[in-house]
Amino acid sequence: EAQVTQNPRYLITVTGKKLTVTCSQNMNHEYMSWYRQDPGLGLRQIYYSMNVEVTDKGDVPEGYKVSRKEKRNFPLILESPSPNQTSLYFCASTPDPPGQGADGELFFGEGSRLTVL
Amino acid sequence: LAKTTQPISMDSYEGQEVNITCSHNNIATNDYITWYQQFPSQGPRFIIQGYKTKVTNEVASLFIPADRKSSTLSLPRVSLSDTAVYYCLVGVGTGAGSYQLTFGKGTKLSVIP
Repeated sequence: EAQVTQNPRYLITVTGKKLTVTCSQNMNHEYMSWYRQDPGLGLRQIYYSMNVEVTDKGDVPEGYKVSRKEKRNFPLILESPSPNQTSLYFCASTPDPPGQGADGELFFGEGSRLTVL
Repeated sequence: LAKTTQPISMDSYEGQEVNITCSHNNIATNDYITWYQQFPSQGPRFIIQGYKTKVTNEVASLFIPADRKSSTLSLPRVSLSDTAVYYCLVGVGTGAGSYQLTFGKGTKLSVIP
């Protein structure tokens, strides 16, 4: 089944304890991205990757890191989480790199709800 | 960077047609316009995409005027299951082959029985 898989789905952690949210897609998509969703603010892009070894900052990259060593994986790293990073996080991928004709449909994971105490 | 503006919320009765307009004044020549639907605690789901004029699929229509500075998502005869948040998405080229896909704040549609 074609899908985007995020783990963990739920996590409660404490300030300063490094954590990684994994994202994996089995559709051979080139473009992957991370979003956070907060009440009243919609979806805001954290980082995106046009392809392997190519990553760029989105609108709210502060406090996050990413890597794209393989096409299928795009982990989101919080080196020192803080309470303002409590949010619902979504990973998404698309087969067609945007900006080169019609934008491909974004396929989203089920979300990861993170609470930082 | 291109930015999208949508109404925060809308209410509609079942069976009515709903039109949600998105403003994207700084849209670039190569940019497409895409709409997504999101239910609580789920990831957004693709509805429709267009570049200009009118696009129609089995669930919605998308109207884009000639200047492409706005677009209107039309949902015919809505039902209670259409209650969701609807996002307008316009990609932004950031140079050097990089391209950012940024969502706006979305429009919360409430369908009333």
